[in-house]
Amino acid sequence: DGGITQSPKYLFRKEGQNVTLSCEQNLNHDAMYWYRQDPGQGLRLIYYSQIVNDFQKGDIAEGYSVSREKKESFPLTVTSAQKNPTAFYLCASSPGTSGMLGASYEQFFGPGTRLTVL
Amino acid sequence: SQQGEEDPQALSIQEGENATMNCSYKTSINNLQWYRQNSGRGLVHLILIRSNEREKHSGRLRVTLDTSKKSSSLLITASRAADTASYFCATVRTDSWGKLQFGAGTQVVVTP
Repeated sequence: DGGITQSPKYLFRKEGQNVTLSCEQNLNHDAMYWYRQDPGQGLRLIYYSQIVNDFQKGDIAEGYSVSREKKESFPLTVTSAQKNPTAFYLCASSPGTSGMLGASYEQFFGPGTRLTVL
Repeated sequence: SQQGEEDPQALSIQEGENATMNCSYKTSINNLQWYRQNSGRGLVHLILIRSNEREKHSGRLRVTLDTSKKSSSLLITASRAADTASYFCATVRTDSWGKLQFGAGTQVVVTP
């Protein structure tokens, strides 16, 4: 988990409320990602950002929003439009790959935030 | 849909035994990576194998890649109780910028 922090570790939310999950990295990585993991399943990509002030939708972006105003930070907002938000959320980062031949795209993960909607 | 599919879904072995798990994928890839996840924690990168490589070793880990069959295997030799975790393969597709696509994982339990 070194170099990437997520907070809080556990989060409880009432239905209809928006909530923001924090992700910070001190690895000087250009790219950052948000994933959702449901019990017994793999990770699904919500949003990703290749560089500051730019981000793209992943496979399951509906009901989520992000911002990338600083290289170190990539917060995720789970909105009330997300129908089934209870899940384990993981943030990751990777070194910049633009123009780098053979870049590995290895990703470094934070410890995760478990969100429960009551 | 999941790009990588691991097999088996679960594996139970005793300390000292070898653990083998497989991953199949559907499209052309740039590389394939294996990650480990301890319960309730983030993922940890184990090893990466590029599409032009066939086998790679790292400590007690051995990974193979067969691009003709679109499959990979991860072997953990001389398993330890600390190897108990879920293992995921993830692929980087050739038509996709740096995005990893994960399978559902293999849950490995190593009993002392």
